[in-house]
Amino acid sequence: SQTIHQWPATLVQPVGSPLSLECTVEGTSNPNLYWYRQAAGRGLQLLFYSVGIGQISSEVPQNLSASRPQDRQFILSSKKLLLSDSGFYLCAWSSSGGGYTFGSGTRLTVV
Amino acid sequence: AQRVTQPEKLLSVFKGAPVELKCNYSYSGSPELFWYVQYSRQRLQLLLRHISRESIKGFTADLNKGETSFHLKKPFAQEEDSAMYYCALRGGGFKTIFGAGTRLFVKA
Repeated sequence: SQTIHQWPATLVQPVGSPLSLECTVEGTSNPNLYWYRQAAGRGLQLLFYSVGIGQISSEVPQNLSASRPQDRQFILSSKKLLLSDSGFYLCAWSSSGGGYTFGSGTRLTVV
Repeated sequence: AQRVTQPEKLLSVFKGAPVELKCNYSYSGSPELFWYVQYSRQRLQLLLRHISRESIKGFTADLNKGETSFHLKKPFAQEEDSAMYYCALRGGGFKTIFGAGTRLFVKA
């Protein structure tokens, strides 16, 4: 069966420090991968999506970037975190035409 | 532009009462509509999708293209239905747009 792993679960980072959140999928090949940010009262904001290795589409200009170095690995990064980057980040995967399967999320607090 | 609107941030009903979570969308083509649910301390998960035309946990949702709505309904709410519900739209392509969510409280 397919599973999705996202880590870490929580992270506290100082302003100006780098960020790397990792997401991996098992049990499927060539998944569509997504990074969302979930904010209370504002739903889920799509940040990046990828339909294949090395293919990244950015939805919102911001202080973050994404990479897909392997078929089932999706990484969210920042070189220098801002206070406004604090939030709850969700990774998800889908097959073509299917619904999403979400990871457990990462709570990022920038201090 | 694609848009999903969930007009109610919070909905509170008594156990056994009918519940309807509203969702309206804006999309010029033929959309795929979904409902996702997040129970306390659990992952966000797919509840149902309109093309499946199925009932999950007693919930149903019918796509009304004339009213551009995809309301989620259940005839008799249960306490375990208390959760955050998100309506979502995929309008051709790979992206899915989510509504702001509705928190459902089912009171005993």
